[in-house]
Amino acid sequence: DAGVIQSPRHEVTEMGQEVTLRCKPISGHNSLFWYRQTMMRGLELLIYFNNNVPIDDSGMPEDRFSAKMPNASFSTLKIQPSEPRDSAVYFCASSLAGTETQYFGPGTRLLVL
Amino acid sequence: SQQGEEDPQALSIQEGENATMNCSYKTSINNLQWYRQNSGRGLVHLILIRSNEREKHSGRLRVTLDTSKKSSSLLITASRAADTASYFCATDGAGSYQLTFGKGTKLSVIP
Repeated sequence: DAGVIQSPRHEVTEMGQEVTLRCKPISGHNSLFWYRQTMMRGLELLIYFNNNVPIDDSGMPEDRFSAKMPNASFSTLKIQPSEPRDSAVYFCASSLAGTETQYFGPGTRLLVL
Repeated sequence: SQQGEEDPQALSIQEGENATMNCSYKTSINNLQWYRQNSGRGLVHLILIRSNEREKHSGRLRVTLDTSKKSSSLLITASRAADTASYFCATDGAGSYQLTFGKGTKLSVIP
């Protein structure tokens, strides 16, 4: 099993640019989570999908953030326009059910200059 | 605010010693999980303990849960240098899918 796959692993961009992060969950998992990790705030849940449907996006910081899950094997997190305060490590995780064990991807380290 | 709060924030021990990390939380839970994160990597699930369980073992890991005190502890016995990582507790709210993570305990095991 390849585990949760995220791309890119590292992204450096300039303020104002659009950033798209990608995630492929573990095959058969029906829940997908996007998290953001910073030193100051720790690990924060941004959005949760169940069966490809967004269930709770209350953690999305603001309208500049959007997430989609067009099918069971792919999700994107988009930031437009990006700002320096968006610099963080973004993790995708998947699970078979919402509250059980979550399997994390390796993360995307984003730096917005 | 964070549901789970780990204590201590950092812990440094010699290889072979035991490491104990604590987690406190605020609201009722269905289960509590512990995860490990090696530097620059994603989180890896270690163990899950349900609210009706008091203790659970997995290899060198021992987890306890005291729902009356809203606290949990993770004990790693006979630590190894490879155990060096950050350890997070994660709780779900009763009836909620969402996991809330603490800020973690950074464990350093010195060879």
